[in-house]
Amino acid sequence: GAGVSQSPSNKVTEKGKDVELRCDPISGHTALYWYRQRLGQGLEFLIYFQGNSAPDKSGLPSDRFSAERTGESVSTLTIQRTQQEDSAVYLCASSPQWGLLNTEAFFGQGTRLTVV
Amino acid sequence: ILNVEQSPQSLHVQEGDSTNFTCSFPSSNFYALHWYRWETAKSPEALFVMTLNGDEKKKGRISATLNTKEGYSYLYIKGSQPEDSATYLCAPNSGNTPLVFGKGTRLSVIA
Repeated sequence: GAGVSQSPSNKVTEKGKDVELRCDPISGHTALYWYRQRLGQGLEFLIYFQGNSAPDKSGLPSDRFSAERTGESVSTLTIQRTQQEDSAVYLCASSPQWGLLNTEAFFGQGTRLTVV
Repeated sequence: ILNVEQSPQSLHVQEGDSTNFTCSFPSSNFYALHWYRWETAKSPEALFVMTLNGDEKKKGRISATLNTKEGYSYLYIKGSQPEDSATYLCAPNSGNTPLVFGKGTRLSVIA
């Protein structure tokens, strides 16, 4: 597709279950980013990939969160043992290269995660 | 990671009014300033990427200015329309970091 695609668009899960969120970036985009927005909060940076390498994982909220990227394509964000505070809209973005000096990031429509 | 402040947090204007809001950021270690518009149920969409002090960019009724020395950017909307209702996000970038967004300004344009 032409844009960043995320799936599922909505996910309701029970507390304690694991969830996997998927992001398909724009073809050829080297950099990929994960963000989330909890209710009433700003857009919170989680992790980024340069190719399939994630140099800085310090933005991940806890060790229950992990992310992987295959080559320069699909990325998955996994949340283990979900908690209610994990409820949020999870956004993925990609950009042609690392270093957003003269290029924008292109966002997907997000996955709305609700932990009940 | 750059610290960014946006004001006001929310804004209600009448259709046809012009409005503006502010993005403040540390002026040191600055490379670029991004503005995004995030409409409900849609993806955030880039409006401007600005790099030069004194730069002014325009897209239709929306324009932005940048002051890198004092660390602020203004976003202006002329003749607001209901379709301008959205959250406007700014993100300064230091070149080797991901975008770190402010909390945004939520604009509601009342017809």
